[in-house]
Amino acid sequence: DQQVKQNSPSLSVQEGRISILNCDYTNSMFDYFLWYKKYPAEGPTFLISISSIKDKNEDGRFTVFLNKSAKHLSLHIVPSQPGDSAVYFCAASAGSYQLTFGKGTKLSVIP
Amino acid sequence: DSGVTQTPKHLITATGQRVTLRCSPRSGDLSVYWYQQSLDQGLQFLIQYYNGEERAKGNILERFSAQQFPDLHSELNLSPLELGDSALYFCASSRTADSGNTIYFGEGSWLTVV
Repeated sequence: DQQVKQNSPSLSVQEGRISILNCDYTNSMFDYFLWYKKYPAEGPTFLISISSIKDKNEDGRFTVFLNKSAKHLSLHIVPSQPGDSAVYFCAASAGSYQLTFGKGTKLSVIP
Repeated sequence: DSGVTQTPKHLITATGQRVTLRCSPRSGDLSVYWYQQSLDQGLQFLIQYYNGEERAKGNILERFSAQQFPDLHSELNLSPLELGDSALYFCASSRTADSGNTIYFGEGSWLTVV
C-alpha cells in the first residue's frame, strides 16, 4: 500500500525552463509535506516543506503547491539549473512524524 | 553537511554475520530515525527513537534491533545478515518527535552482504 506516489520515475528539462515534479498521496491524515533532493552516494537533503494549512510555500527558485482536495502536491523549480539534476523525493507525515516517502523522481536538467 | 554523522560509510560482510551501524544526531536533536533504501525502492522507515525511548516502528525485521543511548547517539544492529539486507541505511534526526519538524539525514551507510 503506497501512500505517497511519485508516478514519474524520471523527468528531463532544458536549463532555464520550469521543472514540475508531482506527488500524490492517499492518506488524508497527512498534515505535513516535504521535498528532499538526493545526489548519488549522499543522504537526502531537505529542500522545502509545506503544512496542510497552506496551499503554497516559496523559497527562492523552489515553490511547493498543495491541493488537499486532490491529495496532490507539486514542486516547481524555476529556472532549472544543471545543478538541480538529482533524485527528488516527496515525503509526508501524520501527527507522530513518521515520514512516508515516495520512490523518487530523477530530474535531469540539460544544459 | 547536515550535522548527522553515520559510521561506517561502507561495509562488506558475509551472510550470517552481525553488523552495527552508528549514528550521531545533529546537536540538540532528540529524535533519531533509521531508514533503509534498497535498489529500486524508496526510503523505507525502520524505527524511530525519541530521547532514548522507542517512538515508532516501521518495516523493521525481527533480525534487526536498535537503541538510542543517553548521549542520544543511536545504533542499528543487523543479525544474522542475509543477502537481501544489502542496502543503503540512513539515519536522520529532528529536534522533536512531532510532525512539522524537518528531518535531517546523514550520508548513509552502504552495506553489502556477500
